[in-house]
Amino acid sequence: GAVVSQHPSWVICKSGTSVKIECRSLDFQATTMFWYRQFPKQSLMLMATSNEGSKATYEQGVEKDKFLINHASLTLSTLTVTSAHPEDSSFYICSVSRGSYNEQFFGPGTRLTVL
Amino acid sequence: QKEVEQDPGPLSVPEGAIVSLNCTYSNSAFQYFMWYRQYSRKGPELLMYTYSSGNKEDGRFTAQVDKSSKYISLFIRDSQPSDSATYLCAMSRTSGNTPLVFGKGTRLSVIA
Repeated sequence: GAVVSQHPSWVICKSGTSVKIECRSLDFQATTMFWYRQFPKQSLMLMATSNEGSKATYEQGVEKDKFLINHASLTLSTLTVTSAHPEDSSFYICSVSRGSYNEQFFGPGTRLTVL
Repeated sequence: QKEVEQDPGPLSVPEGAIVSLNCTYSNSAFQYFMWYRQYSRKGPELLMYTYSSGNKEDGRFTAQVDKSSKYISLFIRDSQPSDSATYLCAMSRTSGNTPLVFGKGTRLSVIA
């Protein structure tokens, strides 16, 4: 498989502030990473595909100016939630794709709470 | 019609039971199929992956794919309380670096 870490594991912030979430591929150079969000008792919702060295591809309905994604290296992608509001409170999870079957390996997730 | 349908449950079974989890899909272009297990407040963990139709077994887990019926299954034998989690099916059209399409997940409780 692939080992993926996320930092921080949880964060509480005030409304209007920005929060940066890091996703690292620890044992694999990932040209592509994916960002998902998950609300309680719901499935994963793909937010964007992060490509190393180029702009991220956002899913319909996801504000690219609000959710800034930077894939600076083959092992690191960051998601910055800008001017966070309480409705942005959610569980954010990243994944990397590895293997001939497009298996995806997920990080442990980051729980964001916006007060 | 959603691309992937999965009964959200909850499903409650006694310890030792055989559990059957299922997904149906509408897009015949899907070729790669995966099952994930997600514990509360954790990231999903890859359990099984298969290509095209057929069966695959790994320990207590068996994954089945029937492309003609657009139906995939995950069987858990001798279920344990530690199997209590949400199980998500996922699938993709191609083999590399493309997003997966997920089912909604089925919540399973195995009662000791």
